[in-house]
Amino acid sequence: NAGVMQNPRHLVRRRGQEARLRCSPMKGHSHVYWYRQLPEEGLKFMVYLQKENIIDESGMPKERFSAEFPKEGPSILRIQQVVRGDSAAYFCASSPFLVTTNEKLFFGSGTQLSVL
Amino acid sequence: SQQGEEDPQALSIQEGENATMNCSYKTSINNLQWYRQNSGRGLVHLILIRSNEREKHSGRLRVTLDTSKKSSSLLITASRAADTASYFCATVFSMDSNYQLIWGAGTKLIIKP
Repeated sequence: NAGVMQNPRHLVRRRGQEARLRCSPMKGHSHVYWYRQLPEEGLKFMVYLQKENIIDESGMPKERFSAEFPKEGPSILRIQQVVRGDSAAYFCASSPFLVTTNEKLFFGSGTQLSVL
Repeated sequence: SQQGEEDPQALSIQEGENATMNCSYKTSINNLQWYRQNSGRGLVHLILIRSNEREKHSGRLRVTLDTSKKSSSLLITASRAADTASYFCATVFSMDSNYQLIWGAGTKLIIKP
């Protein structure tokens, strides 16, 4: 049973380009969370999705950022017209149920986005 | 801010010593979880303690929870070089009709051989 898979591991973009980050949750997991982490800092929540639905996107900027978790395929975090401030590590985590049911999160290894 | 706070921010100890990290939070919680992050990697779940529990053990890890003080501590006994990592606490609490998982800024632990 493979863990949470994120790709690419590293992504370099020039200002104004688009970045697409992919996350395949663990098998059987229908809850996906995206986080952003700056060096030496904690995780900052961005968005929480279940299959085909965005449940909570309160941590995601309204402009340029979008996320989806289609019925088939990985969850995608999309950043349009990237700026230098978007440079960070983006982590995806999955769980089989809501964390309120005392479930833990399983994390991918992250995508390091560098904007030149 | 609802974010948990951890202290110390950084901790450097000799191999074999015990390491204690603390986490404080601001609201009533459903559960509190501790995770470890090795440099450049994703987080790995260590232990979960429910709001009605006071102490939990897992191998060399011991977690306590004091809901009256809104704080938790993670103790790693007989530390090893492989324990070098950042440790994060995450609290789960309800807000409006949603539940939130809030992360602390982490404690960076360095074990010196």
